[in-house]
Amino acid sequence: GAGVSQSPSNKVTEKGKDVELRCDPISGHTALYWYRQSLGQGLEFLIYFQGNSAPDKSGLPSDRFSAERTGGSVSTLTIQRTQQEDSAVYLCASSPGTSPGGELFFGEGSRLTVL
Amino acid sequence: GNSVTQMEGPVTLSEEAFLTINCTYTATGYPSLFWYVQYPGEGLQLLLKATKADDKGSNKGFEATYRKETTSFHLEKGSVQVSDSAVYFCALSDRSGYSTLTFGKGTMLLVSP
Repeated sequence: GAGVSQSPSNKVTEKGKDVELRCDPISGHTALYWYRQSLGQGLEFLIYFQGNSAPDKSGLPSDRFSAERTGGSVSTLTIQRTQQEDSAVYLCASSPGTSPGGELFFGEGSRLTVL
Repeated sequence: GNSVTQMEGPVTLSEEAFLTINCTYTATGYPSLFWYVQYPGEGLQLLLKATKADDKGSNKGFEATYRKETTSFHLEKGSVQVSDSAVYFCALSDRSGYSTLTFGKGTMLLVSP
């Protein structure tokens, strides 16, 4: 498809398990972002990738969270030893490049529920 | 740091009513300002944007004017429709070199027939 694709769309896991969330950005977009959307909390920035540069990890809430982007395209967000407070919708977005003030294109999100 | 404050919802209106959703921001320099909309079951999509002071963004009957003096970017629509029911997010992007967005908490709009 032409848009940002995320999988799985829904994930239910038990506390303490690891989860992986996948994002496939729009072809040709060099910038990729992960956000977390929690009920009543808006969107929280997690991590940003731009081309081959080192990612901006300043938004990751703890060392249980990590992300990688392979070949400048697909990205995986990994949450280790999940906790109930990790329950949220994880949104991925991409954009064409580094021009400030540019539009982000979002996927539909991965809803994570930690029991 | 950057921050965005928008009115809490839900905002409940009847069809054809006038809509205002307030948004104010704090930022260094001259940010770009955005309104994103999230329809039920869908991802966020850009509704409109403005990149400099006094610019007016508009789309689908919605408008917002970049007011630097009041650090505001209020969203307005003259006559809402049931199909406008969604969550609206105000956001800003600073000019530090890349377009990471800082979002408000979102305002849910419910329009009844």
